[in-house]
Amino acid sequence: GQQLNQSPQSMFIQEGEDVSMNCTSSSIFNTWLWYKQDPGEGPVLLIALYKAGELTSNGRLTAQFGITRKDSFLNISASIPSDVGIYFCAGRGAAGNNRKLIWGLGTSLAVNP
Amino acid sequence: DGGITQSPKYLFRKEGQNVTLSCEQNLNHDAMYWYRQDPGQGLRLIYYSQIVNDFQKGDIAEGYSVSREKKESFPLTVTSAQKNPTAFYLCASSVQSQGVGNQPQHFGDGTRLSIL
Repeated sequence: GQQLNQSPQSMFIQEGEDVSMNCTSSSIFNTWLWYKQDPGEGPVLLIALYKAGELTSNGRLTAQFGITRKDSFLNISASIPSDVGIYFCAGRGAAGNNRKLIWGLGTSLAVNP
Repeated sequence: DGGITQSPKYLFRKEGQNVTLSCEQNLNHDAMYWYRQDPGQGLRLIYYSQIVNDFQKGDIAEGYSVSREKKESFPLTVTSAQKNPTAFYLCASSVQSQGVGNQPQHFGDGTRLSIL
């Protein structure tokens, strides 16, 4: 099935650094979702975006719905050890089969205290 | 607390055996989903159900079966026809709006299935 291009695949950073990851699609989406998954657990929703250009924050996390509707990014400011995990983007198109949620392959984040 | 409960947390299957994974939600969500997660492959959709007594195949439905007799429950059976069942299985649910739905999916904590 179709997949999003999520990058980077993995990141290793120092505590306190800012982090940025993004997802791109070949087709237009009308919903972008960002999830975090801890080992052995299910993904937890971080931020949901529904409008092109929308910029939404959740604590130290900020995500944006790209103007072209084909991309989205997630920023984490002042990273802490509990930010460790895998971050997934997911997007959904407008109609028909494009309504199915499409998932990126994840960005694995490691934080060095 | 409202949420999605998957059981068991770990499950082992013998060759030729069918096993059933449980998923229960008390969020009053209409739509429910089953995903399979393998390392490096993200989440792949197995089956989904938008309403009781109705369900549709996802991208990798072969070797799996589901039922949706109650709104709260969406069990997944991994049949002996699924030759590579070892994976982490995730159940999700969402509020249903138009069509396939425009609301975020909320996940359970998963079941890890292994072959004996």
